Amino acid sequence: GEDVEQSLFLSVREGDSSVINCTYTDSSSTYLYWYKQEPGAGLQLLTYIFSNMDMKQDQRLTVLLNKKDKHLSLRIADTQTGDSAIYFCAEKVRSWGKLQFGAGTQVVVTP
Amino acid sequence: GAGVSQSPSNKVTEKGKDVELRCDPISGHTALYWYRQRLGQGLEFLIYFQGNSAPDKSGLPSDRFSAERTGESVSTLTIQRTQQEDSAVYLCASSLVQGPGSPLHFGNGTRLTVT
Repeated sequence: GEDVEQSLFLSVREGDSSVINCTYTDSSSTYLYWYKQEPGAGLQLLTYIFSNMDMKQDQRLTVLLNKKDKHLSLRIADTQTGDSAIYFCAEKVRSWGKLQFGAGTQVVVTP
Repeated sequence: GAGVSQSPSNKVTEKGKDVELRCDPISGHTALYWYRQRLGQGLEFLIYFQGNSAPDKSGLPSDRFSAERTGESVSTLTIQRTQQEDSAVYLCASSLVQGPGSPLHFGNGTRLTVT
């Protein structure tokens, strides 16, 4: 079945690294995505990873995928106050593009 | 336009009234999606369009909900006889082509409040 789970809340100090975790259940997932949602705004695509990759790095963002454990993580290096937002993990199961989203992780960055 | 545009940004309506929500996808994007986000929750898939047809309507919660797309462009989501549980943010997204490598681009949503 399709089920994506995330922890609901993460507090991190400015300058530290944040790690947001996600688990999914469908082993046929092809792509996995991280989206960011700031208050009152839509979802902004941060990065995505193809299921045959283990890691993808994009500036301060590092995505790690453990396909065996169906575990995805997003690491944000040198977290800034502007990184405070809700982060959604999503999987694409079918080729035509429907994304299955987790409930989102609220990240709060404190000075 | 540069991104996905949704209107209105906010809508307050009385229970029992009909509402229409509009989505203008990114020009050239053939795939269009509607999602619903209830307060503090994740995104709930409603319907997907490829061109003007909707191969997957499985997420529409009841027959009060319908959507159409014309000209492979604008889409409208209509909710008839609105109920308080319909209160949510309705998000539209589009993507360039179907297929695994096409990320969804989201609009800012329409916040619907049913009183």
